Amino acid sequence: DTAVSQTPKYLVTQMGNDKSIKCEQNLGHDTMYWYKQDSKKFLKIMFSYNNKELIINETVPNRFSPKSPDKAHLNLHINSLELGDSAVYFCASSQEMEIGTDTQYFGPGTRLTVL
Amino acid sequence: GQNIDQPTEMTATEGAIVQINCTYQTSGFNGLFWYQQHAGEAPTFLSYNVLDGLEEKGRFSSFLSRSKGYSYLLLKELQMKDSASYLCAVTDSNYQLIWGAGTKLIIKP
Repeated sequence: DTAVSQTPKYLVTQMGNDKSIKCEQNLGHDTMYWYKQDSKKFLKIMFSYNNKELIINETVPNRFSPKSPDKAHLNLHINSLELGDSAVYFCASSQEMEIGTDTQYFGPGTRLTVL
Repeated sequence: GQNIDQPTEMTATEGAIVQINCTYQTSGFNGLFWYQQHAGEAPTFLSYNVLDGLEEKGRFSSFLSRSKGYSYLLLKELQMKDSASYLCAVTDSNYQLIWGAGTKLIIKP
């Protein structure tokens, strides 16, 4: 009965590969997010989806493409992986449409290591 | 630019009280969050302040002064399990959440 789940938890891959991370929430929330947390522990928002529509894209390279088949899922696909993509990626969700005023519930994170 | 400032690291003793400060400069203000993040885990919600004053929730309290662009998180009766990073985040006028880099709190016996 996990609220926000992500798979895989760990992902090790070679430079240049393409990979996907999946996220699902069973909270009935309308908004989902992807964050990147680097080695300095700084959380940076990458994308936000509200009812399957992209509403934030924070200057992320277009190698990163979010896909939301329905409002309970927000997957992250990464093309041509680079060393600098190594980080922990967190998925999160919240109820309110006014992003940023409602509590966000985070998934367990996916630790991506690019070799 | 928008900026959230928190101390990088703090150390406190089990059973004591610690105050973690956060100052912000953002384009507008629509609320301030505190999240707790244990090493290797996801952030979890602690508190949300949108009006000035102190919000108390068990051993944790959060204070906000909008005129000063300042908040603090107060942790009482510290326990070893409180060792974690504490993230301050502010919602700006565009309802975007701006995150601080977090304060790593180390609790010693």
